[in-house]
This record gives sequence, structure tokens and C-alpha cells, in this order.
Amino acid sequence: DAKTTQPPSMDCAEGRAANLPCNHSTISGNEYVYWYRQIHSQGPQYIIHGLKNNETNEMASLIITEDRKSSTLILPHATLRDTAVYYCIVRVADSGAGSYQLTFGKGTKLSVIP
Amino acid sequence: NAGVMQNPRHLVRRRGQEARLRCSPMKGHSHVYWYRQLPEEGLKFMVYLQKENIIDESGMPKERFSAEFPKEGPSILRIQQVVRGDSAAYFCASSPTTRGRFGSYGYTFGSGTRLTVV
Repeated sequence: DAKTTQPPSMDCAEGRAANLPCNHSTISGNEYVYWYRQIHSQGPQYIIHGLKNNETNEMASLIITEDRKSSTLILPHATLRDTAVYYCIVRVADSGAGSYQLTFGKGTKLSVIP
Repeated sequence: NAGVMQNPRHLVRRRGQEARLRCSPMKGHSHVYWYRQLPEEGLKFMVYLQKENIIDESGMPKERFSAEFPKEGPSILRIQQVVRGDSAAYFCASSPTTRGRFGSYGYTFGSGTRLTVV
């Protein structure tokens, strides 16, 4: 799976949009971009994923650049409960052995400030 | 609809003892994955099991660690003769099939077991 690079930490004011960047310059054509987050002392929680097109769900939006070498996770109105470590992961969605594994880096620690 | 249940939440063991971590997958899920998170680190894949079968244990340490997912009952991650370096959070995830809303594998994680070896 392609390696990802994320800033170690970010701050965001409550109520503002949180934009979390991720670089994945070696991503392959069949690899998806996934975002998970881990709130303190809890298990990782799926947020969103995408291949080429931008995606939006009830939690967040995912913007993927045209060359797919980077992406941004957007939390439109951050709340204190969004304080967590956010992981950007790239992996092949449909392949043989190993495609089920998630490779977590150190992620970005997002602090939402009142 | 209960999520992935892990117990105990916290486990303290003395060096040399055995640790048993249990994971009950979500209802209808037949695939179980174990991950380990060392302090200040990301999660690392350990093992992938289906009922009565170990599919991939490439992330498991070669010695002292074993996992099972019996026909009945929870999945068990067993650590024999624990050492201080085994202190970590151990997370279990489950998925219904190899295809799901997350691409191939729809993961739901449990809240983890925090093992402390003293």
C-alpha cells in the first residue's frame, strides 16, 4: 500500500471548518483513499473513502486532487467531539490477500478549541 | 444492535503470566481482525480470522502469540508469558464479508483492551 504523509497536529476553532491534508504521491490507480479517526481511548471509526471523485457523507467531505497525489478531509463545522487523531490510509479495495489490511501511520492529532 | 464487543477493557498482568483477550464480532459478521497499538504509535495489523480458520497471521509475533475464532463463542487473542513490551492497546475489528460499504472490507472496530504488564 502507498505511504501517506500527514501533519502531526492541527488546531481548529469550534464551529469552523477543519481541513486535514494528506499526501499520497505514490498512490496506484486501483488504490482508494480512506479516512478513519480515533477518539481518545476508543477504537478507530470509519469516516469516508474515495477513489477519484470528491465524496461527501453526513460526517465529512473528501477532496481528492486530479492527479490523486493528495487529498483533504473536510469537517465542515468542527465540534469539540471531533477532537481526535485522524488517519489517512490508502489501500487496494478489491484484490487478493492483504487487501483487508489497514496500514495506520501516526495520523494528524486534531484539537478543536472552544 | 451491539457493536464489536471486547473484554476486558483493561487487563493487568505480571511478567510471565498469560493474557487472554476476547472479541465478539458484530451480529452477522464472520470475519475478525486483530490490531495492536503501542503507545504513541498507529495500529498494526496482527491477524485475520474467519470461523475456525486463520487466514493471515503475518503480523503476529512468531512466539507467545496465538489467535483463534471457534465455531461458537468469541475470538480469543492469547499472549503467553507476557513481557513489558506487550503492554499496548489491542483492537479487534469485524466485517460481514469481503465486500462492503468500505470497499472490500467493511470494518467496525471495538473499543479495545488495554493490556498493562507489570
